Amino acid sequence: DAGVIQSPRHEVTEMGQEVTLRCKPISGHDYLFWYRQTMMRGLELLIYFNNNVPIDDSGMPEDRFSAKMPNASFSTLKIQPSEPRDSAVYFCASSPETGWNTGELFFGEGSRLTVL
Amino acid sequence: AQSVTQLGSHVSVSEGALVLLRCNYSSSVPPYLFWYVQYPNQGLQLLLKYTTGATLVKGINGFEAEFKKSETSFHLTKPSAHMSDAAEYFCAVSDQGGGNKLTFGTGTQLKVEL
Repeated sequence: DAGVIQSPRHEVTEMGQEVTLRCKPISGHDYLFWYRQTMMRGLELLIYFNNNVPIDDSGMPEDRFSAKMPNASFSTLKIQPSEPRDSAVYFCASSPETGWNTGELFFGEGSRLTVL
Repeated sequence: AQSVTQLGSHVSVSEGALVLLRCNYSSSVPPYLFWYVQYPNQGLQLLLKYTTGATLVKGINGFEAEFKKSETSFHLTKPSAHMSDAAEYFCAVSDQGGGNKLTFGTGTQLKVEL
């Protein structure tokens, strides 16, 4: 069975450029999460969706960040314009409805973003 | 708001020795607690969890953790370390009813030496 699929795995871009990270959750999972991992701040929840609807975006750092989930099998996290401090590993995770309150998130392998 | 503190960003043990990774939590309501493991260049995977019931919980790969309310702790242990246990370990917390909205600790890198 395919797990959570993220692309690209690595992205190097220059300050000011737009960055789009993509995620395909596990089929049948109703919840999708975007996390950011940095050395300084660890893992931070940016936003999560339930049935394609954003439920909590309080972790989104600023207006430069936006996330969408146009359908159950696809989500994007966009940064425009990007800044060097956005350099991090961005993880997408999903969980099923029946898994709510179990804490079991299924993580992708992450997208490592470097902004020069 | 809930939070977790992991004591020691790096822990080194010899193969065959006891593994002890420390986690303390802060929560205004009874928490759900979790340990996740991250192998190099991979995403996190759930190791074990405490929600309700028995305070000693067992997970995969021989790991276990004990919920101690009086100490607000949820330390992770394994009696005998194996080289394959080398990874980063994250403690996480959520409020009961908070679903899978987890707050993670800063992680502990476990090194296993021969």
